[in-house]
Amino acid sequence: SQQGEEDPQALSIQEGENATMNCSYKTSINNLQWYRQNSGRGLVHLILIRSNEREKHSGRLRVTLDTSKKSSSLLITASRAADTASYFCATGFMNRDDKIIFGKGTRLHILP
Amino acid sequence: DGGITQSPKYLFRKEGQNVTLSCEQNLNHDAMYWYRQDPGQGLRLIYYSQIVNDFQKGDIAEGYSVSREKKESFPLTVTSAQKNPTAFYLCASSSGSSYNEQFFGPGTRLTVL
Repeated sequence: SQQGEEDPQALSIQEGENATMNCSYKTSINNLQWYRQNSGRGLVHLILIRSNEREKHSGRLRVTLDTSKKSSSLLITASRAADTASYFCATGFMNRDDKIIFGKGTRLHILP
Repeated sequence: DGGITQSPKYLFRKEGQNVTLSCEQNLNHDAMYWYRQDPGQGLRLIYYSQIVNDFQKGDIAEGYSVSREKKESFPLTVTSAQKNPTAFYLCASSSGSSYNEQFFGPGTRLTVL
């Protein structure tokens, strides 16, 4: 069952520009996480935002959460070549044990 | 170094064979997970375990089996009943709450010949 849906599916930007990815979901959540995956590798956790939080920062990353719209965005500022990867949102639920459900991801390509 | 390991990195299987993918963690995590990833797709949950000697089916458990005899280990067997097993398999662990991040292994790429 797919819960989160990232938009756009693919994004190409120039190095130094900001990249914004969005995630929409369908049912109420208790947290939302963002992960990065380099090609052919495992996922790396970036940031977790709880349902009672509206914004979180981590370095060049900014995540927002709008529970009324059931959506989240991930902003990467001053992009670098090393940011080229796929980015996934994953939603966690109240009373749904420890499972989180991943979206299909946004493929980000940073152009030199 | 603490972490989660998977082996082998690449695995080739003939049709009709069972194969077992290894997943080991030394993070002292209670929960472990197996996901399948197809090209250009997200992760789909196969099985998960919240505690030793207990595990639950995920969304696509048919054709797969697991065991959790030790806290550190969560092997996945891809059986001959799995009709389309060619995929990238990822193992993850977490300290046991959906508020906690999952730590992923490097993955095993399984190809059926």
